[in-house]
Amino acid sequence: AQSVTQLDSQVPVFEEAPVELRCNYSSSVSVYLFWYVQYPNQGLQLLLKYLSGSTLVKGINGFEAEFNKSQTSFHLRKPSVHISDTAEYFCAVSDHYGGSQGNLIFGKGTKLSVKP
Amino acid sequence: DTAVSQTPKYLVTQMGNDKSIKCEQNLGHDTMYWYKQDSKKFLKIMFSYNNKELIINETVPNRFSPKSPDKAHLNLHINSLELGDSAVYFCASSQFVTSLNYEQYFGPGTRLTVT
Repeated sequence: AQSVTQLDSQVPVFEEAPVELRCNYSSSVSVYLFWYVQYPNQGLQLLLKYLSGSTLVKGINGFEAEFNKSQTSFHLRKPSVHISDTAEYFCAVSDHYGGSQGNLIFGKGTKLSVKP
Repeated sequence: DTAVSQTPKYLVTQMGNDKSIKCEQNLGHDTMYWYKQDSKKFLKIMFSYNNKELIINETVPNRFSPKSPDKAHLNLHINSLELGDSAVYFCASSQFVTSLNYEQYFGPGTRLTVT
């Protein structure tokens, strides 16, 4: 069975500092990987995804993530955060068989708090 | 031109009542989903529908029933509401199988409070 572990439930950082949100997954098959962001009282918005190809994936709002198959990780990074990046971030995995999409399994989320 | 919309945004009701949450998508997607987010922000898939067929049911109590009148709608009916049903429910949609996008688009959520 698949699972996703987000190692940090809360990450406080100062504005303009770099940040890394960690995500590890387990799966017995090939997977697709996603990061979603949830701003307060809103739905989820896709930040970026890894389907295949280059292991470094760039997303919206200056975020990027690197897929590391040997370490089964998909950590999210941003070199300089803004107050507006304060939100809950979810890592998710989906398996795929022959091109079809499986279930989306979410991690428990990491609350990023950016302080001035 | 909201992509995925849900109504109502807030729903407060008493135990034992029956309620429905509506979801509509205008993206032309063929698969829709319902997720439950608990008080600790944990998101879990409840159902998905593809071309009017249920393709996922993650051991959700049978008090919950999804109903899809057409490809653009997936409503969630809940019978005999319990305190533990209090949560935020998210609808999502995607283009299944033939698309290489595999992105799910989420609605704004419905906060259900059972008293």
